[in-house]
Formats: sequence, C-alpha cells, structure tokens
Amino acid sequence: AQSVTQLGSHVSVSEGALVLLRCNYSSSVPPYLFWYVQYPNQGLQLLLKYTTGATLVKGINGFEAEFKKSETSFHLTKPSAHMSDAAEYFCAVSERGKLTFGKGITLSVRP
Amino acid sequence: DVKVTQSSRYLVKRTGEKVFLECVQDMDHENMFWYRQDPGLGLRLIYFSYDVKMKEKGDIPEGYSVSREKKERFSLILESASTNQTSMYLCASSFSGLRQPQHFGDGTRLSIL
Repeated sequence: AQSVTQLGSHVSVSEGALVLLRCNYSSSVPPYLFWYVQYPNQGLQLLLKYTTGATLVKGINGFEAEFKKSETSFHLTKPSAHMSDAAEYFCAVSERGKLTFGKGITLSVRP
Repeated sequence: DVKVTQSSRYLVKRTGEKVFLECVQDMDHENMFWYRQDPGLGLRLIYFSYDVKMKEKGDIPEGYSVSREKKERFSLILESASTNQTSMYLCASSFSGLRQPQHFGDGTRLSIL
C-alpha cells in the first residue's frame, strides 16, 4: 500500500520568509501526488498536483512543488510567506482513485 | 466551480441515535468519498463509491454505512452513534481516473454526547 510521510506537525516562519513543507511518499508504481490546504473551519482545497511531465509543478497562491523520484519526495515551497498562508497543509498520493493523506502540517506565519 | 455541499456544518447527537450525514455534488462526478478528520491522524477514508448503488469500504468502515441512490448524493450513516465517532466528517467527489483530484465540502463537525 502507498503511504505519505509529513515530518513534524507544525512549522513556523516569519512573514516574507521561505516556506518549505516536506512530503515523502512510498509507492510501487509511478505516483500521482497532490497538495491540499485547509483553512480553519473549511474543507480541503487543491493547491497543486503532479501527474506526469514537468517535475516542477506550480499551483495557486504562489506555491510550487518539485517531484523527485530518486528521493521519493514532493516538497512544497513558497518563496515569501504571507500571513494568509497560515493553514494546515496535506500531502496525498493517489492509489486506484483513492487518496492516501499524510497527517498534515500546520503552518504559522509570524508578523 | 465544483460545489460539494454537506447538509450541516455542526451537528450534536446523543449516544445510540441513528445519524445521517448528507453530501451533494453538482459536477456529475462518478466518485464520491467520506472521510473523518481527527487531530494528529489526518484524513482517514471511511467509505467510497464509484457509481450509483455501488460502495466500497475504506480504511475505517466499522460503525458506518453509506447510501448512494443518485449520482449526485452520497449519505453517511452512523447506525448507533458512539462518543468515539465525535469528529469532523468531510465529503469529497471526483471524476474517475487516477489523476483526478478530489473536491471537498466544508465538513460537518459532529459531536456525540
């Protein structure tokens, strides 16, 4: 079975600093990978996805992620954090149409 | 935009009650899913459906059942609610295919007293 590991449960950055949220996956077949964001009291919103093709994927709100097969990673980055980026972020891998989620990382942004 | 609507944002029920959570999507998606979300555990799949009247167990189906009589509607049923089913419940839908993202509703925060 496929799995997703998001190390740590909480990341805190200063406004304007680089955001880096890590995601590693295990998969026996080429993976389809997703990042979702959840703002307080809301459902999950798709940030970006990797299916095939370019390994650097750009998403909404200035986020991007790079698929590295050799490292089985799909880390999420944003060059400059904004206060509105404070939320919980989930990495997920697709298996036969079902998603397996990591446990999520809460991002805090300090003024 | 895809719209996934869950019938209640907050719900309070008593132990032993039969509880229905409703989810409707407006994008003609084939697939529909029910998850529960608990702090530190992420999202866990309860049940999913690839077509009308079709259902499959997810990772934690015990204590739950589902119904999909129409393509746009997917109901989660707690046959006899227990306190350990207090949680946030999220419904999602997607087109068929491995690459298709899931679209989520805003969730139902269910408390069982």
